[in-house]
Order: sequence, then C-alpha cells, then structure tokens
Amino acid sequence: QKEVEQDPGPLSVPEGAIVSLNCTYSNSAFQYFMWYRQYSRKGPELLMYTYSSGNKEDGRFTAQVDKSSKYISLFIRDSQPSDSATYLCATRGGANNLFFGTGTRLTVIP
Amino acid sequence: DTAVSQTPKYLVTQMGNDKSIKCEQNLGHDTMYWYKQDSKKFLKIMFSYNNKELIINETVPNRFSPKSPDKAHLNLHINSLELGDSAVYFCASSLTGTGSTDTQYFGPGTRLTVL
Repeated sequence: QKEVEQDPGPLSVPEGAIVSLNCTYSNSAFQYFMWYRQYSRKGPELLMYTYSSGNKEDGRFTAQVDKSSKYISLFIRDSQPSDSATYLCATRGGANNLFFGTGTRLTVIP
Repeated sequence: DTAVSQTPKYLVTQMGNDKSIKCEQNLGHDTMYWYKQDSKKFLKIMFSYNNKELIINETVPNRFSPKSPDKAHLNLHINSLELGDSAVYFCASSLTGTGSTDTQYFGPGTRLTVL
C-alpha cells in the first residue's frame, strides 16, 4: 500500500469553478501535509503546508486535513487558466523524506 | 538566479552506458535530495544527503550512486543504464532536513531516456 493515494484525474473545469482535489494517506502517525503544484516540464513547487488537522487558507487556495478519516483536500476557488497544472499531495516521513501521491492533472478552460 | 539547478536538462543514451546528472543549489541549504518521477508522474525519494553525509538511501539499485563533493552539490551517477531507468530525475534541497517547516525546493528536472 502506498503511503499516499491520489486520484490521477485528469480533471477539467471551466474558468471560475471551484476545484476540489483529494488524497488519502495510510499512516495515522503522519503529521505534516503538503500540496505541491507542478507545471508541465517543471519541478514541483510548494503551494500549501498544513500541520495535523484543520484548515489553512491562502488566497484562493484552502488546504484541509481530516486526521480521523486520513483525508487531505485542496480547494481552489475562482479557478483560473493559470491554475492548470498537476497537483501533488505529500506527507513527511520520519527522515524528512516526502511521500507523494501520483498527482492530479488539472485543466482550467477559459 | 536559479535556486536549484540541474544539468543536463535532457539526456538520451543507450542501454548499458554510464551517465551522470549534476545538481547545484545556491540557497545555502544543508540537505539535498534525489527523486525519480516515472511516466505516471509518481515522484519517489531515492537519496538524501545532509552536509555531504548520506541520510536516506531508499531501495534503489546499487547502479545508482550519489556523490556530494560539498553541501551545495549532489550528483547522481548511474552505471549500466537500463530501459526502466527512463524517467525524470529531480534534485531538491532544504535548509536543515528536519523540523516541521523545512521546505524542499525542487530543480527543473533531468529527463533521462534510455534506448
């Protein structure tokens, strides 16, 4: 079983839509959760970072962690064509190694 | 200025060859990493080094050997390349390698194709 599971999509939405991206994780000891955004032919870049349960908001982006169900979500409000990318959820192992989901490819259509 | 850089960006080579990928970071970070991203976009840790010392060595064939001449550089040497080694290899770095807010910064990737 992989540490993090993610629906690979692809997901296609019209501009302005609310996007919901989701992951599940296997180990209840994981505490730190991240969302990375990866544009085509580029390296991943950190988008959001959360610790334990709860919500974190940054502009149009909201990251949510539900530890009781081992569920991680990223919401994008008022999606823009520039949000088109692959979104990878990740969690941190004991030696600071990151366990990534397979990524969800998002396309926002103008 | 590029924070984490990798060379080459593309690498096409024949099976059985030996090749190296170089990584440099100018962020003053202590920890560097190598990740492999396969054709399905799955990104997996291979190695991490903290201040030139090996910290993580996942189950990677011993044909892969990381080398860190100093803490700003982490190179990846691959011997006897196989078809299954075709992937995008990402280098990353972070400030300390520990702590809750230690962010990893990724390079642009090296796309390796083995023919």
